[in-house]
Amino acid sequence: GAVVSQHPSWVICKSGTSVKIECRSLDFQATTMFWYRQFPKQSLMLMATSNEGSKATYEQGVEKDKFLINHASLTLSTLTVTSAHPEDSSFYICSAIRLAGRTGELFFGEGSRLTVL
Amino acid sequence: AQKITQTQPGMFVQEKEAVTLDCTYDTSDPSYGLFWYKQPSSGEMIFLIYQGSYDQQNATEGRYSLNFQKARKSANLVISASQLGDSAMYFCAMREGRIDTGGFKTIFGAGTRLFVKA
Repeated sequence: GAVVSQHPSWVICKSGTSVKIECRSLDFQATTMFWYRQFPKQSLMLMATSNEGSKATYEQGVEKDKFLINHASLTLSTLTVTSAHPEDSSFYICSAIRLAGRTGELFFGEGSRLTVL
Repeated sequence: AQKITQTQPGMFVQEKEAVTLDCTYDTSDPSYGLFWYKQPSSGEMIFLIYQGSYDQQNATEGRYSLNFQKARKSANLVISASQLGDSAMYFCAMREGRIDTGGFKTIFGAGTRLFVKA
């Protein structure tokens, strides 16, 4: 299957700082990537759809200025949590679709666990 | 409104027995895809099986099969011959919209935690 790599896996930061999470498709080009957020023992909530070369599409209730998404190339999307606060602590997972596939199966990164102190 | 409903927060199954995890969905889009993913405690998301809205036959992948009942809008996952390693969180997901036209997204149900007993 296709490989999506996410970095960092763990990050601890102080309140008020910004944190950048990278999501890379290693062996295919991903024109579209998705960012999800998962609270402990809960489901994955779609935050935004990241489109290469254009602005991300955010889901209702997700702050665009808080969660900056950049999809500068066909293999890289980044999520920046700006001025992080403890309530931003969560598990963030990126995913990508390989358009050559029939199913639209999402290939997921390993996830990034953010803890804001 | 909930688009993907998983009514079983937790399920227990004896090792080597079969188990069915329920999933119902709601969409007005004629073109959609249904997925099941497994999430072990490590957090990674593992793709298990896919069913397209136009597929006539139920999908099967090894020990996994999807009981697709389109009229009832249900897509239950059946795991046969359960193994201890099957203990994990299982998510049903639905992709709305066509892949080739863009504007699609995949949403997830609340999940079912499966416990396999030795």
